[in-house]
Amino acid sequence: EPEVTQTPSHQVTQMGQEVILRCVPISNHLYFYWYRQILGQKVEFLVSFYNNEISEKSEIFDDQFSVERPDGSNFTLKIRSTKLEDSAMYFCASSVGGHSTQYFGPGTRLTVL
Amino acid sequence: EDQVTQSPEALRLQEGESSSLNCSYTVSGLRGLFWYRQDPGKGPEFLFTLYSAGEEKEKERLKATLTKKESFLHITAPKPEDSATYLCAVQAGGDDKIIFGKGTRLHILP
Repeated sequence: EPEVTQTPSHQVTQMGQEVILRCVPISNHLYFYWYRQILGQKVEFLVSFYNNEISEKSEIFDDQFSVERPDGSNFTLKIRSTKLEDSAMYFCASSVGGHSTQYFGPGTRLTVL
Repeated sequence: EDQVTQSPEALRLQEGESSSLNCSYTVSGLRGLFWYRQDPGKGPEFLFTLYSAGEEKEKERLKATLTKKESFLHITAPKPEDSATYLCAVQAGGDDKIIFGKGTRLHILP
């Protein structure tokens, strides 16, 4: 069964450093998403991406964040200058259409020291 | 504002003891309601999508139902391996994002 994959599973970084989180969505899916979950809190939407551009973003997704689809299979989330409060699980998701079921990856645990 | 409220926050059941989890929602133009299962330190695992009031979906010991204001996840004769957090999420018309509730932590005792 096709699934979303994410790397790395755990990333530790120093405050102020740049990190790139990577995702490989399900191959025939056209919509890609990033969500995050701070420990003990709800899963929160960050951004959606379709046809090589951002289609929706939340207030959390400020200028420190960016997304890219550098090739036909990868989808990345970059945080330019990490803050302590960026520590969270980051989930990538993908769907066939914009209003189809979103399938989630296993997540990357980001720890900012 | 679109909102999802799940109850109870936590539920402990004996193996074989059936129960229901509730998801109440307010959303402008429901596009879909989703149930996911989440194990500790893992990503949400898709269970069901419901699109309109009156719809029901079933999978093994789980059954999801939908009304205009809420959804229920019924669990029949649960086993310890059903222990997890169950997440409800909604998508409003015109939105890409789905909005999650806080989840119900379910613990099934052998």
